[in-house]
Amino acid sequence: SQKIEQNSEALNIQEGKTATLTCNYTNYSPAYLQWYRQDPGRGPVFLLLIRENEKEKRKERLKVTFDTTLKQSLFHITASQPADSATYLCALDIGDYKLSFGAGTTVTVRA
Amino acid sequence: EPEVTQTPSHQVTQMGQEVILRCVPISNHLYFYWYRQILGQKVEFLVSFYNNEISEKSEIFDDQFSVERPDGSNFTLKIRSTKLEDSAMYFCASTLSRDINEKLFFGSGTQLSVL
Repeated sequence: SQKIEQNSEALNIQEGKTATLTCNYTNYSPAYLQWYRQDPGRGPVFLLLIRENEKEKRKERLKVTFDTTLKQSLFHITASQPADSATYLCALDIGDYKLSFGAGTTVTVRA
Repeated sequence: EPEVTQTPSHQVTQMGQEVILRCVPISNHLYFYWYRQILGQKVEFLVSFYNNEISEKSEIFDDQFSVERPDGSNFTLKIRSTKLEDSAMYFCASTLSRDINEKLFFGSGTQLSVL
């Protein structure tokens, strides 16, 4: 079965710095990959989708890359702010929004 | 932005009891889902629902689970006889279509505690 792995440790960074999160997957060739944000006690919130033929996607201070050869996606938060503190999840659609999520990486941005 | 609404936000029940978790998806959405997240673990797919029938279900979604869209607005998840291991946050989600350009919207979840 497919396996999705994200940075196993929490990320603690200074405000203004760039946070880089990693998502690796195996045993699957997804047509696209998604990133979500999850705050404590809340549901995931969709952030970005990147397709297999796209190398990079940006939305405001967020940037996602997708390397299908390495089976890896990188998620960057530039000019980070304390409000960016949350858990970030990568997800693969393994069929009709049957999403398989990674365990998530918790980011804490210090003021 | 439109929201998926879930009630109750917290549900405590005794083992063996039946529970019904309720969701109001976004009004024009056609595809509905339940996911769950056990504390400290991944968000896991349970079931998808379209056109008044289950489209797909996971191994977790056994005979103790059922879903229903009893009217034009509600979408429910029933657990017939709860077990301790059913304790989790349950998320309802909906989307307009299966086009990948359509976002999947999640509710805030129902925290189910089975004692």
